[in-house]
Amino acid sequence: DVKVTQSSRYLVKRTGEKVFLECVQDMDHENMFWYRQDPGLGLRLIYFSYDVKMKEKGDIPEGYSVSREKKERFSLILESASTNQTSMYLCASISYSYEQYFGPGTRLTVT
Amino acid sequence: GNSVTQMEGPVTLSEEAFLTINCTYTATGYPSLFWYVQYPGEGLQLLLKATKADDKGSNKGFEATYRKETTSFHLEKGSVQVSDSAVYFCALPKGSGGSNYKLTFGKGTLLTVNP
Repeated sequence: DVKVTQSSRYLVKRTGEKVFLECVQDMDHENMFWYRQDPGLGLRLIYFSYDVKMKEKGDIPEGYSVSREKKERFSLILESASTNQTSMYLCASISYSYEQYFGPGTRLTVT
Repeated sequence: GNSVTQMEGPVTLSEEAFLTINCTYTATGYPSLFWYVQYPGEGLQLLLKATKADDKGSNKGFEATYRKETTSFHLEKGSVQVSDSAVYFCALPKGSGGSNYKLTFGKGTLLTVNP
């Protein structure tokens, strides 16, 4: 019954490292998302992809990039990790009826 | 675009108490409305939805009614359990266009149920 999976549940990286977060969905959805979730700030959209190789910046794209080479896979890249990117990262896809499906999240710590 | 305002938490209840979490929205037209739940250490999952005015969404004992007169979609449960302890999010589509498949979420309400 797995729908959206994320490559890691917990990740610890050093400042300046390049970080890849992978997300895979098995529902054939065209639209996929990366959010970060921080206490008191709710969910904030980082990037959105509406098709293979198509992407759109969300509310907080600075310091992040994304890649969508296949429909089922959406990757978030931190080019040079910084301590202020320590957060919970959530991947999601959405159906045409606006039902959004989330992965279990990756808790990233940058030291 | 559309927006949602959700009751701030945290909410602490005893087991078997009645729960209400308020949610009001501003929207163009009559978009679908959603409640999501996030259990500790997990991602969000869809709890219930309503697709048109006066619809009642329900799941796991939770209910919410789409009220266009008051632009509200309050979440209720008659008797909460310890296992209902989680963060609850109200959500609706961000824009009115069919090509814009983004949701806007409330800030979330943390519910803690004590035995």
